[in-house]
Amino acid sequence: EAQVTQNPRYLITVTGKKLTVTCSQNMNHEYMSWYRQDPGLGLRQIYYSMNVEVTDKGDVPEGYKVSRKEKRNFPLILESPSPNQTSLYFCASSYSSGGITYEQYFGPGTRLTVT
Amino acid sequence: AQKVTQAQTEISVVEKEDVTLDCVYETRDTTYYLFWYKQPPSGELVFLIRRNSFDEQNEISGRYSWNFQKSTSSFNFTITASQVVDSAVYFCALVNTDKLIFGTGTRLQVFP
Repeated sequence: EAQVTQNPRYLITVTGKKLTVTCSQNMNHEYMSWYRQDPGLGLRQIYYSMNVEVTDKGDVPEGYKVSRKEKRNFPLILESPSPNQTSLYFCASSYSSGGITYEQYFGPGTRLTVT
Repeated sequence: AQKVTQAQTEISVVEKEDVTLDCVYETRDTTYYLFWYKQPPSGELVFLIRRNSFDEQNEISGRYSWNFQKSTSSFNFTITASQVVDSAVYFCALVNTDKLIFGTGTRLQVFP
């Protein structure tokens, strides 16, 4: 089954404790991205990757890191989480060609709470 | 700058009513894509439709239809004969090359 998986689905942590949210897709998509969803703000892009070893900042990259060492994986790293990073996080992937990305397919979401 | 505006924060209807969700976008690019996504109460994001900037034909899929008008920079979504299962948050989104810009979403509640 074609899908995007994220782990963990739920995470409660404390300020400053490094964490990683994994994301994997089995559709051989070039493009992958991370979003956060907050009430009243919709979905905002954190980082994206057009292909292996290529990553770029989205609209809200501060406090986050990513890497793309393999095509299928795109982990999101919070080196020192803070309470304002409490949010619902989505990973997505899509087919990309000629510099255009098409519809994105989303993982199930990771609800992160930082106390 | 690119922007997507969904002015309707919340809409409530009774089952079987028709409902239209508005989406207005801003972009200086001539080539771009527009999307609608559905987020039901369970939380996942479900892709509904893609439309490219060169194709202004309206699209119908069952009870769903989409009206794309470049002249008014709008890409509206109509649900005909709404059902309780249509209750969700609906997002309109725009992409030109590598960044997907979402609107803030419209919460649709369909009451029996």
